[in-house]
Amino acid sequence: GQQVMQIPQYQHVQEGEDFTTYCNSSTTLSNIQWYKQRPGGHPVFLIQLVKSGEVKKQKRLTFQFGEAKKNSSLHITATQTTDVGTYFCAGPSGGSEKLVFGKGTKLTVNP
Amino acid sequence: NAGVTQTPKFRILKIGQSMTLQCTQDMNHNYMYWYRQDPGMGLKLIYYSVGAGITDKGEVPNGYNVSRSTTEDFPLRLELAAPSQTSVYFCASSYGGTSYEQYFGPGTRLTVT
Repeated sequence: GQQVMQIPQYQHVQEGEDFTTYCNSSTTLSNIQWYKQRPGGHPVFLIQLVKSGEVKKQKRLTFQFGEAKKNSSLHITATQTTDVGTYFCAGPSGGSEKLVFGKGTKLTVNP
Repeated sequence: NAGVTQTPKFRILKIGQSMTLQCTQDMNHNYMYWYRQDPGMGLKLIYYSVGAGITDKGEVPNGYNVSRSTTEDFPLRLELAAPSQTSVYFCASSYGGTSYEQYFGPGTRLTVT
């Protein structure tokens, strides 16, 4: 079945450093979604990318969708302690109504 | 709007016991999902529903059952609880399919001993 892989699994940074997480799918995706889960919390939707090569920004967060629509990345500029959490990417599973989630990248920020 | 609500927040079960995890959404969403999240892992889909009266299996359905008699409610039933079902369970809903964002409930933390 379809797989969505994320790297790295963990990332520890000093506050102010940049952070990037990468997401790769075994199949071409019609869209990709990103979620953030704070420690002890539930996943919260961040953004959806649909177009090949699409780039979207939310303040210090930059999201990219690859030209082949099989990979995506999330880049955070100048991390803050409020960025702590696990970031998940998710893509549709074939023609079904299901999302397949990556295992996530857990970000910790040292103040 | 309360969004997606789940009860209970925490529960400890003994092996072999059964229970129902409740999930309700007030956003009139047709699609609802049940996921489990094991420590340090991603979300695995247990069951989902695209509307009242329609349910389908996800990636890890064994040991669970669901029903969807109303648009608002999507309970998850655990029969004969096993230690392998120790996990955090999240219910989610969305307006449509995979082109729409999913709204997650706060989760139920279940321990089976």
